[in-house]
Amino acid sequence: AQSVTQLDSQVPVFEEAPVELRCNYSSSVSVYLFWYVQYPNQGLQLLLKYLSGSTLVESINGFEAEFNKSQTSFHLRKPSVHISDTAEYFCAVILNEGDYKLSFGAGTTVTVRA
Amino acid sequence: KAGVTQTPRYLIKTRGQQVTLSCSPISGHRSVSWYQQTPGQGLQFLFEYFSETQRNKGNFPGRFSGRQFSNSRSEMNVSTLELGDSALYLCASSGGPEAFFGQGTRLTVV
Repeated sequence: AQSVTQLDSQVPVFEEAPVELRCNYSSSVSVYLFWYVQYPNQGLQLLLKYLSGSTLVESINGFEAEFNKSQTSFHLRKPSVHISDTAEYFCAVILNEGDYKLSFGAGTTVTVRA
Repeated sequence: KAGVTQTPRYLIKTRGQQVTLSCSPISGHRSVSWYQQTPGQGLQFLFEYFSETQRNKGNFPGRFSGRQFSNSRSEMNVSTLELGDSALYLCASSGGPEAFFGQGTRLTVV
């Protein structure tokens, strides 16, 4: 069964427009949630994390995500994108508190156009 | 603080050969995980090592193996390479739930 579902594989967006990347996970227990970004020919960079506490988490470059336990979602948003935000974005979860195994979504490619 | 270092960055191997990839985690991190990334299958978990012990294993054949040394450095080995093993192999270093990734090793099997 799919643990993490990213509903959009490709999201084209114009510069300075808002963007939302959707992520749903399948779990009835408390989890840790993450968003990673990958630029071409590079590894994954941690963008955001939800471990506990406030359900709204923010990154230093303007992204935010909200943990919604009832809807089992962790959607990523940015109110105004830049060309440099063009990348692939992965939602990931840790389902077991006893280890650090990440289950990833299929990824969403964001292409920002001028 | 140095990040996660993976070597080599690129490898080209022939079918049937074996390969060893190396990962040096962030200083102080005791957990190292390995992932395979391909266009068709996405990011798949291979295994996790914590304090030299394999703590978790993904659904890969026995040709894929790994180990962790006392200084937390880790290696993964793939024997009898197949064309389908061509992928980006990513190492992740963890001191807690957050994982920090290296740049990856791009393996091409010809």
